[in-house]
Amino acid sequence: EDQVTQSPEALRLQEGESSSLNCSYTVSGLRGLFWYRQDPGKGPEFLFTLYSAGEEKEKERLKATLTKKESFLHITAPKPEDSATYLCAVQAGGTYKYIFGTGTRLKVLA
Amino acid sequence: SQTIHQWPATLVQPVGSPLSLECTVEGTSNPNLYWYRQAAGRGLQLLFYSVGIGQISSEVPQNLSASRPQDRQFILSSKKLLLSDSGFYLCAWIWGQGVDTGELFFGEGSRLTVL
Repeated sequence: EDQVTQSPEALRLQEGESSSLNCSYTVSGLRGLFWYRQDPGKGPEFLFTLYSAGEEKEKERLKATLTKKESFLHITAPKPEDSATYLCAVQAGGTYKYIFGTGTRLKVLA
Repeated sequence: SQTIHQWPATLVQPVGSPLSLECTVEGTSNPNLYWYRQAAGRGLQLLFYSVGIGQISSEVPQNLSASRPQDRQFILSSKKLLLSDSGFYLCAWIWGQGVDTGELFFGEGSRLTVL
């Protein structure tokens, strides 16, 4: 069964304190792995797509990496405005289904 | 540019009442369309997806149904709501027809409370 597990469930950081979020996946033939940011009461906002192991993508203070079993979202010197829930999703090969993890709730304190 | 609209944004319904949530995508054609539900503090659960008019795939057996009467319109319905149907309903789209992968684009969501 295709599955996505994210850890930790919640994370509190001081402003400037770098950390990483984990997304472990089990899928038959990964077609793509996606990271989203979701603010309270809003729809998820797309951040990154990763297609193959070893691939990396960066955007401002965020960097996403991918291995054959997991992906990391690294947050460097976070700011309070980075506070949000970060969701990971995978698309299995041969399907149009996108399976999401339960997310990591990030709180960055000033 | 492409946009996605969901309505209503918020609704409160009694148990046993019907439901209709609408989603419309503009600025694209032949999109793949999706309905997800997000319970409080939880991840996104895939409910239905559609790759074309009248083509609906159901992922979770329950008292909900979906329809796609037009290319860019996706409707989520129920004849009788249950308390467990409460949640945040999200519609999403992706380029279809010949495109096998890519990121989902989400609407702003519809928050349903069943009392």
